[in-house]
Amino acid sequence: EAGVAQSPRYKIIEKRQSVAFWCNPISGHATLYWYQQILGQGPKLLIQFQNNGVVDDSQLPKDRFSAERLKGVDSTLKIQPAKLEDSAVYLCASSFYRGTGELFFGEGSRLTVL
Amino acid sequence: EDKVVQSPLSLVVHEGDTVTLNCSYEVTNFRSLLWYKQEKKAPTFLFMLTSSGIEKKSGRLSSILDKKELFSILNITATQTGDSAIYLCAVTSGGGADGLTFGKGTHLIIQP
Repeated sequence: EAGVAQSPRYKIIEKRQSVAFWCNPISGHATLYWYQQILGQGPKLLIQFQNNGVVDDSQLPKDRFSAERLKGVDSTLKIQPAKLEDSAVYLCASSFYRGTGELFFGEGSRLTVL
Repeated sequence: EDKVVQSPLSLVVHEGDTVTLNCSYEVTNFRSLLWYKQEKKAPTFLFMLTSSGIEKKSGRLSSILDKKELFSILNITATQTGDSAIYLCAVTSGGGADGLTFGKGTHLIIQP
């Protein structure tokens, strides 16, 4: 079974530029999450989708971050404009059953903002 | 706001030792507590503990949940160098959103 796919694996940009990350969850997983993991911290939930609807985006900095999952399968997370403090690994995760807690994570996209 | 605190933040032991990792939590309407192992890549699921399952064991790893005192421990016996990783504790709460709230993790290093 294919795992959660993310791209790009690494991205270096300058502050005020924009960046987009892509995630393709495990086939059949209706729930998709984006997490931000800053070095030395645990992952922090940015947004949760159930199919193509948003369940929780309370911690998403909406002035610069946006995410979509238009067809209820793959998802894109965008940052525009980027700030230095956005340097982090962006992890995508999916689950088949909502609320079980057993999330399957992708390998992450590492963003460095200079 | 849900809160998860892990201790120690880092730990160095020798191969063969037994280690205990701690996780305390404050969460509204607790649903479950989970342990993940994170090597250099994605976190991988270890255990989930709920009211109906407060003790889990898999090989050399075991975990218990104390719902009264609001903490959990993860034990690893006969440690191996392959156990070196960051161990993350997370909780879920009831309600509409069910994303995980993670602690900062314990960075475990096993020396040969």
